[in-house]
Amino acid sequence: DVKVTQSSRYLVKRTGEKVFLECVQDMDHENMFWYRQDPGLGLRLIYFSYDVKMKEKGDIPEGYSVSREKKERFSLILESASTNQTSMYLCASSLPGVRTGELFFGEGSRLTVL
Amino acid sequence: SQELEQSPQSLIVQEGKNLTINCTSSKTLYGLYWYKQKYGEGLIFLMMLQKGGEEKSHEKITAKLDEKKQQSSLHITASQPSHAGIYLCGAGPNFGNEKLTFGTGTRLTIIP
Repeated sequence: DVKVTQSSRYLVKRTGEKVFLECVQDMDHENMFWYRQDPGLGLRLIYFSYDVKMKEKGDIPEGYSVSREKKERFSLILESASTNQTSMYLCASSLPGVRTGELFFGEGSRLTVL
Repeated sequence: SQELEQSPQSLIVQEGKNLTINCTSSKTLYGLYWYKQKYGEGLIFLMMLQKGGEEKSHEKITAKLDEKKQQSSLHITASQPSHAGIYLCGAGPNFGNEKLTFGTGTRLTIIP
């Protein structure tokens, strides 16, 4: 079965801390994504990676960076966490081509920044 | 940028009743994707619509795409408790574009 695994379901961090959110997929997918989900705002794309070491900014990249050193792993980094980054973070992966748009999501990481 | 508006925002339906959720795009639709999310979890892909007039079904869920209206509808027949959750539509800015925009979702509650 296809699987996208996010390392932490729940995290509590303090303002100014560096935060790493890890995502691993076992489907050999080229594309990987980080979204955040907030009430009333829906899902918003933070970053997208279409290959190892390749990345593109999404709609809200400010305050975030990403790393993709291996095909199966895509990390989201909050260099200095702030309270407005309290959110649900969702990682996803997909194949390019005809199945574009069929994203496989992890279960999410709920981050609280105090 | 593309915006997807879903209606209604929330829906409470008695078990066994039919219901419809709509998704309207601010721009031309190049494919429309429906997802379901259980509370506090990730999204599960339901179906993809690519052509105007296309209609697809998965179990008791049917989705249609009206390209001219820039709209898609998702219809559930004889709703069951397992249908409860948040339904989201997603679309890309052009064909084959992986970066989807999502609607804010419709929260569906099924009451016995």
